[in-house]
Amino acid sequence: DVKVTQSSRYLVKRTGEKVFLECVQDMDHENMFWYRQDPGLGLRLIYFSYDVKMKEKGDIPEGYSVSREKKERFSLILESASTNQTSMYLCASSVTGRDGYTFGSGTRLTVV
Amino acid sequence: GNSVTQMEGPVTLSEEAFLTINCTYTATGYPSLFWYVQYPGEGLQLLLKATKADDKGSNKGFEATYRKETTSFHLEKGSVQVSDSAVYFCALSTSGTYKYIFGTGTRLKVLA
Repeated sequence: DVKVTQSSRYLVKRTGEKVFLECVQDMDHENMFWYRQDPGLGLRLIYFSYDVKMKEKGDIPEGYSVSREKKERFSLILESASTNQTSMYLCASSVTGRDGYTFGSGTRLTVV
Repeated sequence: GNSVTQMEGPVTLSEEAFLTINCTYTATGYPSLFWYVQYPGEGLQLLLKATKADDKGSNKGFEATYRKETTSFHLEKGSVQVSDSAVYFCALSTSGTYKYIFGTGTRLKVLA
């Protein structure tokens, strides 16, 4: 089975801190994604990457950046964390659009 | 633009009841359609999928049929169990894109 591993399940950070969320997949998938999940808003795409060093903005990229230096790793960076970035962050990977995503278990980030 | 609309929750059922969760979509072209399930504290898992009109996806007793004429992909299960309590997400992807569009999710509670 494909595994997508997110480095932390729970994280508490202070306003203004730089925050790194790490995601690693073990099945050589080309495509990787970062979503945030908020009650009543569903899943919203932050950034995605379809190849090493390639990235594209999703629907809500403001306040975030990403890094993909290796195929298996896709990092989400909050440049200066704010309280409105308190959320559940989900990483996913896929081979093609028809195969479905494989999701990690999520990181629940609280910014205080 | 592309969109997915799911019925509002929560849906509360007794064990062994019949389940329907409605999902309709708007998309250009011929999307692939998916149902994902999220158990408490976890990421999303692919439940089933259908990639063309009239396809039926099925898994773990759940079924959904891709209806192009009604642009629908309703999730059904004949007899729910307490362990089916979770949040269910309908999603679509269109050809030529890596990105998925998710519905806002429907929470299901099954009572013993």
